[in-house]
Amino acid sequence: KQEVTQIPAALSVPEGENLVLNCSFTDSAIYNLQWFRQDPGKGLTSLLLIQSSQREQTSGRLNASLDKSSGRSTLYIAASQPGDSATYLCAVLFGNEKLTFGTGTRLTIIP
Amino acid sequence: ETGVTQTPRHLVMGMTNKKSLKCEQHLGHNAMYWYKQSAKKPLELMFVYNFKEQTENNSVPSRFSPECPNSSHLFLHLHTLQPEDSALYLCASSLATLVETQYFGPGTRLLVL
Repeated sequence: KQEVTQIPAALSVPEGENLVLNCSFTDSAIYNLQWFRQDPGKGLTSLLLIQSSQREQTSGRLNASLDKSSGRSTLYIAASQPGDSATYLCAVLFGNEKLTFGTGTRLTIIP
Repeated sequence: ETGVTQTPRHLVMGMTNKKSLKCEQHLGHNAMYWYKQSAKKPLELMFVYNFKEQTENNSVPSRFSPECPNSSHLFLHLHTLQPEDSALYLCASSLATLVETQYFGPGTRLLVL
């Protein structure tokens, strides 16, 4: 069964610190992996999309890595800010075109 | 502003009611999606439309009926729902099916009494 797991479910970090969010998936045959953020009661906002052939993607203070062989991706957030508080979701498009989401990590940045 | 709008934002309905959710995208995309987000569960992909044609139906009960009259509009018709159908229903669009970045609407919060 193809699954996507995000641990921990919740994380609190003091403002200014760097942090890493984790995503693991059970099948290395993937098309791409995408990181989203979701604010309470809102839709999802795409942050970074990593294609299967790529190892990482960067956008501003965000850096996402992909290691297909180990079935892992990380989202690195540098110099965290209170506005980064949200739920971060990882979504994997598997080779059979099945798009599967993790349950997310709820991030709180403490001022 | 994501370019994807959904109406209504909140909806309360009884189990015998018929209602419809509407999604509109202003991004010139060709693919549109319906998702269900329940508490403590991963986001579930319900339907996929590509160039107005349904390409995926992930074993969704027939009380949910999608309609895509054109590439910019997507509806979800609701009929005889159950309380466990209460959830946030999200619409998304992308340039091409699944492999491209998806852009989400704000969702419709549905409560079935």
